[in-house]
Amino acid sequence: AQKITQTQPGMFVQEKEAVTLDCTYDTSDPSYGLFWYKQPSSGEMIFLIYQGSYDQQNATEGRYSLNFQKARKSANLVISASQLGDSAMYFCAMRDRQDSNYQLIWGAGTKLIIKP
Amino acid sequence: GAGVSQSPRYKVAKRGQDVALRCDPISGHVSLFWYQQALGQGPEFLTYFQNEAQLDKSGLPSDRFFAERPEGSVSTLKIQRTQQEDSAVYLCASSLGSGANVLTFGAGSRLTVL
Repeated sequence: AQKITQTQPGMFVQEKEAVTLDCTYDTSDPSYGLFWYKQPSSGEMIFLIYQGSYDQQNATEGRYSLNFQKARKSANLVISASQLGDSAMYFCAMRDRQDSNYQLIWGAGTKLIIKP
Repeated sequence: GAGVSQSPRYKVAKRGQDVALRCDPISGHVSLFWYQQALGQGPEFLTYFQNEAQLDKSGLPSDRFFAERPEGSVSTLKIQRTQQEDSAVYLCASSLGSGANVLTFGAGSRLTVL
């Protein structure tokens, strides 16, 4: 079974609108971490935001926030006021202790295109 | 250095050739990771170093793949007798602490095997 699922292969969003990128995960480890990374066409993965399984509040970093719904095993990324520079691939990733404390398990990604 | 540096950025190899990909992590970063990313997919873990110790190599697809980090800084990923299925982007990442925490990635080395 997929441990990280991103169901949206691609999304088009109008500039300045908010966008939600979906991510669901599967683990039985009570202690895990969830990450979102951005990969522009240049290829370099850029860390955006992190949510720990025991964090009481949803993580926020500037225009990025994480809608963490633990019971539903969902960790959606919300980008407010989208900009043209937000066009990129977005990956959700998870670290749990079932596999290894050294590995991140990655989703297949969502390609986001911001329209002017 | 200011970021993670990878070289070469692009490598074309004939099937059967050996290749070496270099990663220069951020100075002082304890952890170093190699990932393989096929076109249109998420990265797949290859191996992990904590300083010079290779603590996890469970993701290396075959014994043709070998990685080292002899002095705990620069790392080299070597692929022997390359095959077409080895064509991918190889990403290197480093982090200050141990384990898979917030990673800083390089721009990757794109390998094409003909």
